[in-house]
Amino acid sequence: SAVISQKPSRDICQRGTSLTIQCQVDSQVTMMFWYRQQPGQSLTLIATANQGSEATYESGFVIDKFPISRPNLTFSTLTVSNMSPEDSSIYLCSVVGDGYEQYFGPGTRLTVT
Amino acid sequence: AQKITQTQPGMFVQEKEAVTLDCTYDTSDQSYGLFWYKQPSSGEMIFLIYQGSYDEQNATEGRYSLNFQKARKSANLVISASQLGDSAMYFCAMRYSGAGSYQLTFGKGTKLSVIP
Repeated sequence: SAVISQKPSRDICQRGTSLTIQCQVDSQVTMMFWYRQQPGQSLTLIATANQGSEATYESGFVIDKFPISRPNLTFSTLTVSNMSPEDSSIYLCSVVGDGYEQYFGPGTRLTVT
Repeated sequence: AQKITQTQPGMFVQEKEAVTLDCTYDTSDQSYGLFWYKQPSSGEMIFLIYQGSYDEQNATEGRYSLNFQKARKSANLVISASQLGDSAMYFCAMRYSGAGSYQLTFGKGTKLSVIP
């Protein structure tokens, strides 16, 4: 199984600022994913981060708001830009294993005041 | 489009008893996978068990088993011998198994509380 770490684990930010979340995997993976979980809700896919190409965003999510980098096969960042209280969520990085398994990082708990 | 329905917002179970968490799904795909995840209050998503749509046997992983009834489109999670540490949110999810498709569709979750 893949071991995934995320930084920071939690943060409290002022509205209008930006936060960059880092995701590190202990093995090379082709595809990494970023999910958002708003309070009391289920998980929603933000985008798929592909190494060497631009991220693919899901409906309702745009690159200007959630820019993603994927410089190599073990690392990705998600930036939450110009934050508002509605961005308060848990942000989770996810990877697909060798087979069918899909693993998640520990999550970044973001509160915007 | 895929859809996952978890009809039990919350469940209580006595410690050491078994509990079944319900999950039904809707898809027009023939090849898909079904997942269960556990989310403790810490927020991490812990992978529990997987069932492929063509798997004839129900999946089992330790105390977890998946009761897969394809014709009824249900994929219920059974936890045997519940422990206090099982108290958490449980999410059912599915993913199309076609090439290049990795998006997980999640249900709304069930909050399980284990009573001593």
